[in-house]
Amino acid sequence: DTGVSQDPRHKITKRGQNVTFRCDPISEHNRLYWYRQTLGQGPEFLTYFQNEAQLEKSRLLSDRFSAERPKGSFSTLEIQRTEQGDSAMYLCASGDRGEKLFFGSGTQLSVL
Amino acid sequence: DQQVKQNSPSLSVQEGRISILNCDYTNSMFDYFLWYKKYPAEGPTFLISISSIKDKNEDGRFTVFLNKSAKHLSLHIVPSQPGDSAVYFCAASGGGSQGNLIFGKGTKLSVKP
Repeated sequence: DTGVSQDPRHKITKRGQNVTFRCDPISEHNRLYWYRQTLGQGPEFLTYFQNEAQLEKSRLLSDRFSAERPKGSFSTLEIQRTEQGDSAMYLCASGDRGEKLFFGSGTQLSVL
Repeated sequence: DQQVKQNSPSLSVQEGRISILNCDYTNSMFDYFLWYKKYPAEGPTFLISISSIKDKNEDGRFTVFLNKSAKHLSLHIVPSQPGDSAVYFCAASGGGSQGNLIFGKGTKLSVKP
């Protein structure tokens, strides 16, 4: 059983650099979500894909953030010109027809 | 403005006793509620859920109660075990959110042996 896989698990970068994260959802799931979680907060929705179509984006997703899911399978989340406020855990989740989402272990980003 | 609220940041209970975690919501369009459990440095893991057409759902040691009129739900864990120590998140969906879950801030449960 392969769950949601995220890579890398940890990323340390300097302010101003670009970073890219990858998410491989559960293979039969057509819905894919990106969330961000900071200390003391619950996960906050960033964006959502149905197959390869990006259907919803949160206002939290500034112009420096871009997400893709080119073939409706894996997804990437890129942050350009990182800022210290981008430091967080970035979570990917996938789902099928129901409401339940399955989360990956996340990518912990630290911007120095 | 937070639509899902978990007002207790932490809860400590003795092993074998009942743990009750509470959650309030403000959006009456929410029609599905979930509880997730999270260990440090891991993603949230689904625990139990309830549809708004029900007022109770049970799975082993875990029971979720929903009071729609009060816009309140609770998670009961009985008996509590030390392995239950984690952060518990309440989440809600509905109202055309396309499966996007709205999470509370979480409650850290500590079960003492």
